[in-house]
This record gives sequence, C-alpha cells and structure tokens, in this order.
Amino acid sequence: SYVLTQPPSVSVAPGETARITCGGYNFGIKSVHWYRQRPGQAPVLLIYYDSDRPSGIPERFSGSNSGNTATLTISRVEAGDEADYYCQVWDSTSDHYLFGTGTKVTVL
Amino acid sequence: EVQLVESGGGLVQPGRSLRLTCAASGFTFDDYAMHWVRQGPGKGLEWVAGISWNSGSIGYADSVKGRFTISRDNAKNSLHLQMNSLRAEDTALYYCIKDGGSDSRGYYPLDYWGQGTLVTVSS
Repeated sequence: SYVLTQPPSVSVAPGETARITCGGYNFGIKSVHWYRQRPGQAPVLLIYYDSDRPSGIPERFSGSNSGNTATLTISRVEAGDEADYYCQVWDSTSDHYLFGTGTKVTVL
Repeated sequence: EVQLVESGGGLVQPGRSLRLTCAASGFTFDDYAMHWVRQGPGKGLEWVAGISWNSGSIGYADSVKGRFTISRDNAKNSLHLQMNSLRAEDTALYYCIKDGGSDSRGYYPLDYWGQGTLVTVSS
C-alpha cells in the first residue's frame, strides 16, 4: 500500500514562510486535504481540495498539488502555527483513506 | 455548531471487546458519511473505518478488518465501533469524524473531528 511521505519536522522563524511537502503517491487528479493538530487537541481541517480554505482559516495558509507532490505553505508564520500537519488522500485502488506521516512545525 | 462526542473507551485486556459510541449534534446526521480515525501514543493518524449515510457502503483498514465493525443509528444520531479481539497495537485515541459528503468513498474531506476517546489494550 502507499505511504504518503512528509518531512518529520520543519523549523521556521516568525514571519518567514514554511513549506510542507507530501509525496510518495501519484495524486493525479485526486484531491489532497490538509489537517492541523495543535498539541493536545484534535485535528482540524485546514485545506481541502488541494487549495481551498474552510471558513475561519487565514489566507496565510495555502495549498498546491503538482500531481506527484502536494505542498502546504504557511506564510508569515506565527507562534500559534506550532503544530503537527497531516496530508490526506483517498486511495481508490484500496478504497482506503491515507494520511501522511505528519510534519511537526516548530517556530523558532 | 457541529458536536461529536465519543465515549466507551477504557482499559481492556488483549483478546477482549469494547464498543465505542459517538453522539452527533448540530447537523443533519443522516445526510453525511462518518468515520473513525485513531492515533497511537506519539504516532500519526490512521483511518480505521468509514460508513456512508445509509450504511450502504462500509470500509475498513486492513489492520482492523474482520475484528472491528462500524455501524450507525440515524434515529439516534449515533455512530458506533464494535472492537473485538483487541490487540496491544490497537491502543490509541479514537476520533469520530464527520465526512463532508454522504458517501464514505473519499471525495469529500473529513471536516469535523471529535475530541477522541482513549482505548488502552493491556494485561
């Protein structure tokens, strides 16, 4: 089965840009979703259908999908962005939902 | 406001059974698919099972297939997960999740998550 690979950790200074990649899968036309999990909290939907934002999610969060790699970009990083971030797709071959390995974002 | 409240977790011995329940409110429950996702201690997210709005489509992760059963009661706005033959590796926080659509086969994102209920399998 597929494994969605993410970098284990990303460190970024406040005000800078963080980019988190998700690979290991031929996304093709499949949509990628992203979730944020702050420490001690449940995950929250952050980006859906590659680049759409639910209401209440700041424009600083954006997503893209090139076919083989999906990317979550956090612009003007703030201390409150420290969290674990997960990508997710639905694999039609196995009829399974797949989550990425997760990336811990640390704000320096 | 969408609310998903899980219950039924606890400490259980290997080989025994446990039944989780999720009480849903704040949306039309029988319009949406539902899922269970788990997170082991210090680990990432793992999809466990999903069920469509009318229970017509159900799917399981390979790791739980044949041992776990997902079900729903639309009259009571509740989701269940019957877990049999539990193993130490089933130890995790189990989240109840609302799907963005009615079909559990993946087109929509998982748009609302409960706070989870902890299952610990140990002798």
